[in-house]
Amino acid sequence: AQSVTQLDSQVPVFEEAPVELRCNYSSSVSVYLFWYVQYPNQGLQLLLKYLSGSTLVKGINGFEAEFNKSQTSFHLRKPSVHISDTAEYFCAVSGGTGRRALTFGSGTRLQVQP
Amino acid sequence: NAGVTQTPKFRILKIGQSMTLQCTQDMNHNYMYWYRQDPGMGLKLIYYSVGAGITDKGEVPNGYNVSRSTTEDFPLRLELAAPSQTSVYFCASSGRQGEVSNQPQHFGDGTRLSIL
Repeated sequence: AQSVTQLDSQVPVFEEAPVELRCNYSSSVSVYLFWYVQYPNQGLQLLLKYLSGSTLVKGINGFEAEFNKSQTSFHLRKPSVHISDTAEYFCAVSGGTGRRALTFGSGTRLQVQP
Repeated sequence: NAGVTQTPKFRILKIGQSMTLQCTQDMNHNYMYWYRQDPGMGLKLIYYSVGAGITDKGEVPNGYNVSRSTTEDFPLRLELAAPSQTSVYFCASSGRQGEVSNQPQHFGDGTRLSIL
């Protein structure tokens, strides 16, 4: 069984400040990790993914995440946020076998203030 | 690029009515999924399919049915709508034949369903 914990339900931050959205997972098998973003009334859009290789993963819109196997974490970071980054962010894990379905965290709402 | 298309975008049903949520993808993906998203929650897997003719239950399948007669289409059926099925429903797809495992899923824009 797998699970994903997003430790913060809401993260308020001022424009141009750095931000970190935290994600921890548990799994008994090797995992593949994803961050998705959801803008209001839209579907989920892939930000970045970790499948293998380098533990520092760069995604779209200036976001990056670091896979830490020992701490079972996959935190999302951006050095300088914009108003347009205001959205819901979901961390997800897939165990790589059979159905390949995603297990999602409960989401973190990033609120960028001017 | 159409990607994953869901219809309708919005629907209001009365308790006990039935309906089918449509999902189609044009990326020749083998894997397709239905999730529901409730307020303040992540997405929960309802049903999935690993290819035409093959479907299986996810975490929350009760009250739903699916079919996969073609690679492109994966409709979700609610037979007797209940208030607990009020939610936003997302269809997703991933993975072509021969690809390495766990390619990212592509999502539709969702169907907002209210049961009154």
